[in-house]
Amino acid sequence: QQQVKQSPQSLIVQKGGISIINCAYENTAFDYFPWYQQFPGKGPALLIAIRPDVSEKKEGRFTISFNKSAKQFSLHIMDSQPGDSATYFCAASMRDYGGATNKLIFGTGTLLAVQP
Amino acid sequence: DTAVSQTPKYLVTQMGNDKSIKCEQNLGHDTMYWYKQDSKKFLKIMFSYNNKELIINETVPNRFSPKSPDKAHLNLHINSLELGDSAVYFCASSQVSGLRELFFGEGSRLTVL
Repeated sequence: QQQVKQSPQSLIVQKGGISIINCAYENTAFDYFPWYQQFPGKGPALLIAIRPDVSEKKEGRFTISFNKSAKQFSLHIMDSQPGDSATYFCAASMRDYGGATNKLIFGTGTLLAVQP
Repeated sequence: DTAVSQTPKYLVTQMGNDKSIKCEQNLGHDTMYWYKQDSKKFLKIMFSYNNKELIINETVPNRFSPKSPDKAHLNLHINSLELGDSAVYFCASSQVSGLRELFFGEGSRLTVL
């Protein structure tokens, strides 16, 4: 119930193409769904996040699509660039522990390679 | 000016030794975390502290002992290191009210030989 399943494990996209990464969750108590981007040798950094009361959120070339009934959400990267090559993690969290922490449950990660 | 800083960045040590990793954040956040990233890049929470109080201990062996002397610092001490402890350990911080963004350090790569 605490798991977040992510696919694909790796993805190769041509420059200018669309990258799509999918995640699914079971626990309906999750109420915050961020995507993190990690470059080699660096820590993960927040890319974009969504709450379940909206079905889509767009920030520049990055869009989260959220399907509450299916308990799925996805990241779309439009006009993918070589600089987008990184590992992407979906995650989920819920208000718990009396609101004293923002524990994130991460997906297994997707290694994206954008070829020039 | 680094927001979440960890030291050291690399540790190489023998099985059975004890090692510590230090973390400091200058964001004024009230919550700090330790996450472990294994060789398959899976990120798993180990501990969370709020204002120096332990909130989450995610079934981590008691060879791992976190310590938070104040809300800006969270250190991790590991006793009797085992081969399976080899991983990248990330410190993170967040403010629990409002935005839930976690800010991560650059990680400390621990290699146990």
